[in-house]
Amino acid sequence: QKEVEQNSGPLSVPEGAIASLNCTYSDRGSQSFFWYRQYSGKSPELIMFIYSNGDKEDGRFTAQLNKASQYVSLLIRDSQPSDSATYLCAVGNYNTNAGKSTFGDGTTLTVKP
Amino acid sequence: DVKVTQSSRYLVKRTGEKVFLECVQDMDHENMFWYRQDPGLGLRLIYFSYDVKMKEKGDIPEGYSVSREKKERFSLILESASTNQTSMYLCASSLRGVMNTEAFFGQGTRLTVV
Repeated sequence: QKEVEQNSGPLSVPEGAIASLNCTYSDRGSQSFFWYRQYSGKSPELIMFIYSNGDKEDGRFTAQLNKASQYVSLLIRDSQPSDSATYLCAVGNYNTNAGKSTFGDGTTLTVKP
Repeated sequence: DVKVTQSSRYLVKRTGEKVFLECVQDMDHENMFWYRQDPGLGLRLIYFSYDVKMKEKGDIPEGYSVSREKKERFSLILESASTNQTSMYLCASSLRGVMNTEAFFGQGTRLTVV
């Protein structure tokens, strides 16, 4: 079992729809959770981080964390073609792996006009 | 603006050559990383450094070494390049804190070994 697993994708949604990206992790002691966006041919860049159970909203993006279920998700509301990218989930456990977060393989999202 | 700069965007090297990939960050970050990214295999950690002269092996260190003589600079060395090291190499840095923090990535170096 991979430490961090994401929907295999690709995921395709129409413009204006809600895109839902999911990530599960195996280390129950994980404390920090990140979502990165990576456009084709570019480097990953952070779009959201979350440390506590519940929802965290930033504009059209909402990160949801459920530590009991070892599940973190990213919702993108009113999806735009410019949201088309690969989304990487990263999970960190400072106690066992200080500084090093583990990345999932990513889910590729296509938003169709 | 945080900046992580990799010395080359594209590199073509011959099999058996010693290859140096350089990375410099300007935000005084303690942590620096080298990853490689291949289609279908995601982002894999090669080496991690949490301080000057300190390093830890990542998931795939074989065939690579690193050097961190100054806080801002982290070098990846391919001792004897092989075709299976053809890949996108990404350097990143992050602050050391009480939790894992955001990683800032360089623009990447696409290395082709022929």
